[in-house]
Amino acid sequence: QKEVEQNSGPLSVPEGAIASLNCTYSDRGSQSFFWYRQYSGKSPELIMFIYSNGDKEDGRFTAQLNKASQYVSLLIRDSQPSDSATYLCAAPIDYKLSFGAGTTVTVRA
Amino acid sequence: GAGVSQSPSNKVTEKGKDVELRCDPISGHTALYWYRQSLGQGLEFLIYFQGNSAPDKSGLPSDRFSAERTGGSVSTLTIQRTQQEDSAVYLCASSSRQGKRSYEQYFGPGTRLTVT
Repeated sequence: QKEVEQNSGPLSVPEGAIASLNCTYSDRGSQSFFWYRQYSGKSPELIMFIYSNGDKEDGRFTAQLNKASQYVSLLIRDSQPSDSATYLCAAPIDYKLSFGAGTTVTVRA
Repeated sequence: GAGVSQSPSNKVTEKGKDVELRCDPISGHTALYWYRQSLGQGLEFLIYFQGNSAPDKSGLPSDRFSAERTGGSVSTLTIQRTQQEDSAVYLCASSSRQGKRSYEQYFGPGTRLTVT
């Protein structure tokens, strides 16, 4: 069955550290990948989009894509307490966006 | 521009009653999705509309759930004879389905449904 899988977490990191989130997807045809952040009690919001192999940086966030390994990751550098949230990986499968179960990150002050 | 809107934001209903949840997508977005999220759980896909194509209803949990999209814009999710296990946040999202970011979804604020 085609799906998106994430390391389940939860992940706890000290303030200032790097949080590393991983995601694998089963559909080799997927071309674009998304990371969403969801704060408790809120809707998911898009924070990163990547479609080329390699790294994409946006502020403290870096997305990494390896299509050959069907692997996408998200690094959060200099983690802040405000980064505490659930992070969802998503990829198009069967012509609709499929989401992983999410990884909950807690940044300890 | 305006984002995805949903109404009501909160709905409390008695077991056995029918409820209707509304979603107004971003103008011009051809794709519309409904999800359900129970407390502490991930997103559960319910139904997907794309343009004039037949909707993908593969995620609807039972025949008590139905959805329609009128004029390619506003969508209504209907739950008949509500049960306590239907209590959850119902999220709507839309996407443009154009270009490299065609699958990028924008979420509404959700409707929190409580069945008593």
